[in-house]
Amino acid sequence: DIQMTQSPSSLSASVGDTVNIACQTSRDFGTRLNWYHQQPGKAPKLLVYDSGNLETGVPPRFRGSGSGIGFILTINNLQPEDVGTYYCQQYDNLPPGFTFGGGTQVEI
Amino acid sequence: QVQLQEAGPGLVKPSQTLSLTCIVSGDSLTSGGFYWSWVRQHPTRGLEWVAYIYHSGTSYYNPSLEGRLTISIDTSMNQFSLNLNSVTAADTAVYYCARLRTGSTGFGWDVWGQGTTVTVSS
Repeated sequence: DIQMTQSPSSLSASVGDTVNIACQTSRDFGTRLNWYHQQPGKAPKLLVYDSGNLETGVPPRFRGSGSGIGFILTINNLQPEDVGTYYCQQYDNLPPGFTFGGGTQVEI
Repeated sequence: QVQLQEAGPGLVKPSQTLSLTCIVSGDSLTSGGFYWSWVRQHPTRGLEWVAYIYHSGTSYYNPSLEGRLTISIDTSMNQFSLNLNSVTAADTAVYYCARLRTGSTGFGWDVWGQGTTVTVSS
């Protein structure tokens, strides 16, 4: 089975801080790695696709990077609306299967 | 603007079949470049993809659930459905229908329904 390990599992930061969330995979997926943000009581929202591409409408203070087995989501200038849980998600080659990380809860 | 809305019972008895429908508005299911899918979120086990289907009927299932699952699509009604049989308490989750984008922008879920909570209990 594919393992997706996110760290930290939770963090607390202040408005204006920069935070980094890591995602490590059990095997090389190239850049086939997406990031989602889930606010409490809502559905996840796609933030970054294919490791480093910002989804349309997502503020540029979000940045994704990495390839292979190690990926980072960086949030610059943390804002109150950024609270919630962040998930990484990989996809295999066709036909794609998918695996989500366990999530990182961000509090302010 | 594309919107997805789940519909179905919130309570299912063990060993019975869970049936959910996703009603899509603002876009046609026959639009190219998208699969239509189900993702569930367990209270403690996190997010898990369930199944996805193309408008042609081509479908893919999570291997851990295959054998209990059927996903179908009705392009005339612009909706797609999920049946999960022989449910147990482990199938208790929030079920989301979501649009799965493909192609040059990778494979990712870019539009989600609000989710529906399904509890398996007698």
